[in-house]
Amino acid sequence: QKEVEQDPGPLSVPEGAIVSLNCTYSNSAFQYFMWYRQYSRKGPELLMYTYSSGNKEDGRFTAQVDKSSKYISLFIRDSQPSDSATYLCAMSGNFNKFYFGSGTKLNVKP
Amino acid sequence: EAGVAQSPRYKIIEKRQSVAFWCNPISGHATLYWYQQILGQGPKLLIQFQNNGVVDDSQLPKDRFSAERLKGVDSTLKIQPAKLEDSAVYLCASSLGDRGEKLFFGSGTQLSVL
Repeated sequence: QKEVEQDPGPLSVPEGAIVSLNCTYSNSAFQYFMWYRQYSRKGPELLMYTYSSGNKEDGRFTAQVDKSSKYISLFIRDSQPSDSATYLCAMSGNFNKFYFGSGTKLNVKP
Repeated sequence: EAGVAQSPRYKIIEKRQSVAFWCNPISGHATLYWYQQILGQGPKLLIQFQNNGVVDDSQLPKDRFSAERLKGVDSTLKIQPAKLEDSAVYLCASSLGDRGEKLFFGSGTQLSVL
């Protein structure tokens, strides 16, 4: 079983839609949760960072962590064509080691 | 603040040739990582340095890959000889080094082995 599972998509939505991206994980020691956005031929860019359970909002982006279910989500409101990218979830625990999902490819159609 | 710098951005080589990648982490970041990312997959850790020392190189194919971190700052990753399956993006990343610190990536090197 992989440490982190993420649906690879692709996910195609119309402009203005609400997007929901999700990851599940198996290691209860994970405490730090991240979402990265990766444009084609670029390195991953840190989008959201959350410690432990709860919600965090930044503009059109909301990250949710449910540690009891080992489930994290990223919501994008009013999606734009510029949001078209691959979204990677990542997490870490007591050691400075990071575990990544395989990425979900998102396409926002104008 | 300058980000993680990597070079070259692209490299095309023939199989059995050698190649080297360079990385300069964010100033003050003690931990440096090299990841391999194959198209459609998440980054896979090759090697993790804490200052000068290697923390984890369990997934580094040591018969062909080598890496070093000079004076706890810059790092180079070398492949010799390259195989077709080494075609991937090689990402360098860095963090301050403590538990829970954020991880920042460079732009990556796209390697094509023909």
